[in-house]
Formats: sequence, structure tokens, C-alpha cells
Amino acid sequence: AQSVTQLGSHVSVSEGALVLLRCNYSSSVPPYLFWYVQYPNQGLQLLLKYTTGATLVKGINGFEAEFKKSETSFHLTKPSAHMSDAAEYFCAVRNTGNQFYFGTGTSLTVIP
Amino acid sequence: DADVTQTPRNRITKTGKRIMLECSQTKGHDRMYWYRQDPGLGLRLIYYSFDVKDINKGEISDGYSVSRQAQAKFSLSLESAIPNQTALYFCATSGVAYNEQFFGPGTRLTVL
Repeated sequence: AQSVTQLGSHVSVSEGALVLLRCNYSSSVPPYLFWYVQYPNQGLQLLLKYTTGATLVKGINGFEAEFKKSETSFHLTKPSAHMSDAAEYFCAVRNTGNQFYFGTGTSLTVIP
Repeated sequence: DADVTQTPRNRITKTGKRIMLECSQTKGHDRMYWYRQDPGLGLRLIYYSFDVKDINKGEISDGYSVSRQAQAKFSLSLESAIPNQTALYFCATSGVAYNEQFFGPGTRLTVL
């Protein structure tokens, strides 16, 4: 069975500071991994994804994530937080049966 | 125009009422999913369908039913709504050529 763990349900950073949102997964096979962002009163939109190939993945809005198989992690980072980054972030894994499993989400607050 | 639409966007109903939430997509995807989102619990899969003749239960299907009327339409029904079904409901699609899911804007359902 798949599972996704997001450490920290709430993260606060100052504007301009590094953003680090943690995600660990359990999977018996090489996974497909995703980060989604949800702005208030909106659906989820894809930030980035890892399928195969390069383990450092770049996404929209300056975010990137690194797939580390040995650590079963897929942490999301952004060098410099912007006020517009305030949102809920979800890590997800897709198995070979095309089912998706989501973490419980991390709410990011950016402090001016 | 939105690729994945959900109707209604908001609904307030009473305990015991039958409710239908509808999802339509113009992306041409075969796979469609229904999730519910609750604070602190992330997204949980209710039902999914990989084509018109294929319907599968997710992790929390009790109290819900679905209908895949066409490739582009996937409806979720609550036969007799109860207050703990108050949540934000999302429809999502995915296609063979894409690894990720595409989400609708959500339906906020309140059961009194």
C-alpha cells in the first residue's frame, strides 16, 4: 500500500526566506511523485512532478523538488518566499494502478 | 473555459436528502475520480472510473454512489446525506498520456 507523510501541517516563513516543505512516501515500486498547490477557494493545480529521469525537478513559480530514493523523500523547496506563495501544498504519489494517494497537506504562511 | 467543471459550486442541504454532484470534462481523459477534502485529512478517494464501464470504490465509498454517464461525465450521489458528509468535494481526471491529475474547482457541500 502507498502512503504519503507531510511533516508539518503549518509552516511559516518570512518573505524572502527559504521555503522547505517535507514529504516522505512509502512505495514498493518506483513511484510517480507530485506536488500540488491549492489557493483559497480553488482546486488543486500541479506544481511539479517526478516520473523518471533527473531526480531534481523544477516546477512553476520557482519551486523545485528532489527525489531521493534512499530517503524515500520528495521535499519541495523555493529559495525565496513571496507573499503569493501562501497556500496549501499537497504531496501525492501515483501507483502503477493509476491510483493517487495524497498527504494531509501543509499550509504555508508567508510573513511580510 | 475550464477543462474540468463541477456543479453546483456550493450546496446546503438537510439530513436525509438525496444530493447529486456533477463533474464534466473537456480534456478527453478516460480516467475520472471523486475525492473529498476535510481539514487536516487531505484528499481521500471516494470512487474512480477508468472508462465508462469501469467503476471502482476508493477508500471511503460508504454512503456514496457514482454514475459514469459518458466519457466526459462522472456524477457523485449521496443517497441520504448526513452531517459528517459536510466537506469540499473534488472531481479530477487523468489521461493515458499524462501522469498527473487535473482538478475541478470543487463543490462545497454542507449537510445540516
